[in-house]
Amino acid sequence: DAMVIQNPRYQVTQFGKPVTLSCSQTLNHNVMYWYQQKSSQAPKLLFHYYDKDFNNEADTPDNFQSRRPNTSFCFLDIRSPGLGDAAMYLCATSRGVGLGDTQYFGPGTRLTVL
Amino acid sequence: GIQVEQSPPDLILQEGANSTLRCNFSDSVNNLQWFHQNPWGQLINLFYIPSGTKQNGRLSATTVATERYSLLYISSSQTTDSGVYFCAVEGGNYQLIWGAGTKLIIKP
Repeated sequence: DAMVIQNPRYQVTQFGKPVTLSCSQTLNHNVMYWYQQKSSQAPKLLFHYYDKDFNNEADTPDNFQSRRPNTSFCFLDIRSPGLGDAAMYLCATSRGVGLGDTQYFGPGTRLTVL
Repeated sequence: GIQVEQSPPDLILQEGANSTLRCNFSDSVNNLQWFHQNPWGQLINLFYIPSGTKQNGRLSATTVATERYSLLYISSSQTTDSGVYFCAVEGGNYQLIWGAGTKLIIKP
């Protein structure tokens, strides 16, 4: 029944060691989002894909990259994680970006940087 | 840009109590959503409610667009209602602008 799946649920990496987080969806939605959420804060949008069109937020560090090889999958690559990148990473999908397009969230991946 | 403020920031209630959470926004919006994030981090969309009133079981929401606020009502609270409730509105580029959330703790 899971509609937005994130793997792994918990990821531990070392300072500076690249890491990839995975998101897949069974909803066949056009839009996929990656959010970063730090403790006691609201989610912060990093970027989103509308189909194959990549949309980066202006304040997303270059250290964060994303790939969407097909409709179902989207990856978040952190090239050189720093201690400040420890957070929950949430993937979401929506049918479109118009009015009334609800976002459906995955369970998140909690990233620890040692 | 649009500002979104939620109140109260924290709320502790006994099981069975009713609660009202508030979301104020600084400009006209076409899209307002309420989300619940459970203690394990899962975010669930509760309502899409740019105006009017909606109900879903023990939860209901009302948005008064002309006065720029929305209210989320939880009746007969259960421990599973615990978590953080976020209000989010749509910015000019279709991105969601989030409030800081209300952390709700329901004690048994």
